[in-house]
Amino acid sequence: GDSVTQMEGPVTLSEEAFLTINCTYTATGYPSLFWYVQYPGEGLQLLLKATKADDKGSNKGFEATYRKETTSFHLEKGSVQVSDSAVYFCALSGSGGGADGLTFGKGTHLIIQP
Amino acid sequence: NAGVTQTPKFRILKIGQSMTLQCTQDMNHNYMYWYRQDPGMGLKLIYYSVGAGITDKGEVPNGYNVSRSTTEDFPLRLELAAPSQTSVYFCASSYAENTEAFFGQGTRLTVV
Repeated sequence: GDSVTQMEGPVTLSEEAFLTINCTYTATGYPSLFWYVQYPGEGLQLLLKATKADDKGSNKGFEATYRKETTSFHLEKGSVQVSDSAVYFCALSGSGGGADGLTFGKGTHLIIQP
Repeated sequence: NAGVTQTPKFRILKIGQSMTLQCTQDMNHNYMYWYRQDPGMGLKLIYYSVGAGITDKGEVPNGYNVSRSTTEDFPLRLELAAPSQTSVYFCASSYAENTEAFFGQGTRLTVV
């Protein structure tokens, strides 16, 4: 079945550092890919998405490119802020059709220090 | 625009008790989902629905039941609470297959 693997956390960075959170996936067919962010005590919010190979999703300074050849969707940001501290989830849609929701990675806890 | 609303936000149950977690959405989405989130484990799908009157099991359905009598509402029922059901529960909805899901704020449930 489908699966998502993302780097283990916590990831601790200083403010203004460059961020990469790795995400790779296994899927049949052609899934859509997503990054969600979860702030403490809140639900998940969509950060960005890409629906086909070579698409780049971007939002709030974050970017990720759908790489079919490496089955990856790494999240990047050039200069992180304390307010980016949160848990980040990589996810994919059902690649073989059907409506059974998203498959999530385990999440990466990001801590940004001033 | 409220989006997806879950109630309650917190609940403590004793072993063997039952309860219903409420979920409603005002976006006219056909697709709705229940996930549970355990520390370090990501989100696991419990049940999902593709429209009123249609529900199906997800990855971890044991110990839960759902119903979908209207497009807006998708309640999750725990009949005999067990400590293994201690978790954070999220309801979500989407407008089509393979599209992003919109999440509620979650219900933190503790079974003691």
